[in-house]
Amino acid sequence: QQQVKQSPQSLIVQKGGISIINCAYENTAFDYFPWYQQFPGKGPALLIAIRPDVSEKKEGRFTISFNKSAKQFSLHIMDSQPGDSATYFCAASSGYSTLTFGKGTMLLVSP
Amino acid sequence: GAGVSQSPSNKVTEKGKDVELRCDPISGHTALYWYRQSLGQGLEFLIYFQGNSAPDKSGLPSDRFSAERTGGSVSTLTIQRTQQEDSAVYLCASSLGTTQFFGPGTRLTVL
Repeated sequence: QQQVKQSPQSLIVQKGGISIINCAYENTAFDYFPWYQQFPGKGPALLIAIRPDVSEKKEGRFTISFNKSAKQFSLHIMDSQPGDSATYFCAASSGYSTLTFGKGTMLLVSP
Repeated sequence: GAGVSQSPSNKVTEKGKDVELRCDPISGHTALYWYRQSLGQGLEFLIYFQGNSAPDKSGLPSDRFSAERTGGSVSTLTIQRTQQEDSAVYLCASSLGTTQFFGPGTRLTVL
C-alpha cells in the first residue's frame, strides 16, 4: 500500500513560472515531511522540510504548504529556472523512522 | 570525506552471480539506510541501521538480499544469485537526526 502519493508524474513549466507538486499521505503518525531534489546521476538532496505544527515554510523561491486536515502537502517553486529542472520527491516519516517516498516528479523548466 | 560515498558507481553482472555494494557514510552519522530506485519508481526502502541496534530489515524484497554494517561505519549490501529484476540504482544514505544525506548511488545492471 503506497503511503505517499505524488502528482504529477512530470511537469513542464516556462522559465519564470510557478511549479507546483502535490503529495498526499495516509499515515496520521507522520510528523516530518521533506522534499528532496535529484539531478541525473546524483543522489537525492534535501531541499526543504516541514513539520505539521506550521502550515507553510518558505526558503528562497521554494515553499511548502501543509494541510494537516486534508493530509496533503505541496511544493511551490516560484520564478522557476532551467537550473531547477530535476526530479523532486516528497517524503514522510514518523519520529526517527525511515522515510516513505513518493514516486517523484520530473520537472522541466523551459528557457 | 565530506559526503556519503558509494562504490562501485556502476556494476554490470550476469544473472545468477553475487554482487556486493559498498557504502561509506558521513563520519559520525549513527544511522545508515539502503534504498533501491527503479526507473519511474520512487525510492524503495531496503534496510536501516541505527547505532548498535538490530537492523530494520523489513524492506528487503527477498532472502537473496542482505546487508551488514561493520564497526558502526561502512556498510555492504549483498545480493546473491542476481536476477534481471534486481537491476536498479542502489542508494545509501546516512543521518545523525532526521535529515538523510544520500550518496550518488550504484547503478546495477543484471544481464
